[in-house]
Amino acid sequence: NAGVMQNPRHLVRRRGQEARLRCSPMKGHSHVYWYRQLPEEGLKFMVYLQKENIIDESGMPKERFSAEFPKEGPSILRIQQVVRGDSAAYFCASSPGTGLSGNTIYFGEGSWLTVV
Amino acid sequence: GDSVTQMEGPVTLSEEAFLTINCTYTATGYPSLFWYVQYPGEGLQLLLKATKADDKGSNKGFEATYRKETTSFHLEKGSVQVSDSAVYFCALSEKTGRRALTFGSGTRLQVQP
Repeated sequence: NAGVMQNPRHLVRRRGQEARLRCSPMKGHSHVYWYRQLPEEGLKFMVYLQKENIIDESGMPKERFSAEFPKEGPSILRIQQVVRGDSAAYFCASSPGTGLSGNTIYFGEGSWLTVV
Repeated sequence: GDSVTQMEGPVTLSEEAFLTINCTYTATGYPSLFWYVQYPGEGLQLLLKATKADDKGSNKGFEATYRKETTSFHLEKGSVQVSDSAVYFCALSEKTGRRALTFGSGTRLQVQP
């Protein structure tokens, strides 16, 4: 069973460009989470999605950031008009959402965004 | 709201020393508790978990017991190795409602040979 797959692993963008980060959850998982980790800091929750629905986006910046999890295909975290402060590691995670282990969350290996 | 507090690092130990990393939590419900480990340049790996009071999670020689009375989930290992050097994150997740993990700030462990 493949784990949570994220791509790209590393992404470099110039200020003002757009960054798109993709995440395929583990097989059978219908819940996806995005977290951001700034250098030398812990992980901060950004958004929680189920298929075609945003459940909780309380951690998303109000501007420039958006996330989706379409019926088909991976979840996408989109950052428009990137700034240097967006440089961070972005981690996707997934969980089954149901059952005894429904809230056990598994992480991908992360996408490291560098804004130059 | 929910929160997790971990002891600050870095924690520096010699190989084969005993490890304790303290973790306490505040939660509105009755959460599940987790320890994740992050090696340099990598993502988070689930190390162990416990879903109810008095449960003991264990993996790779690490253990943590869910203590509801003290709202704690301290991580322990009897004999650390250099390969255990990493950042350790304590986290909780509510079983219903907002399921997203709430993390502590992480504790860096450095094991010296």
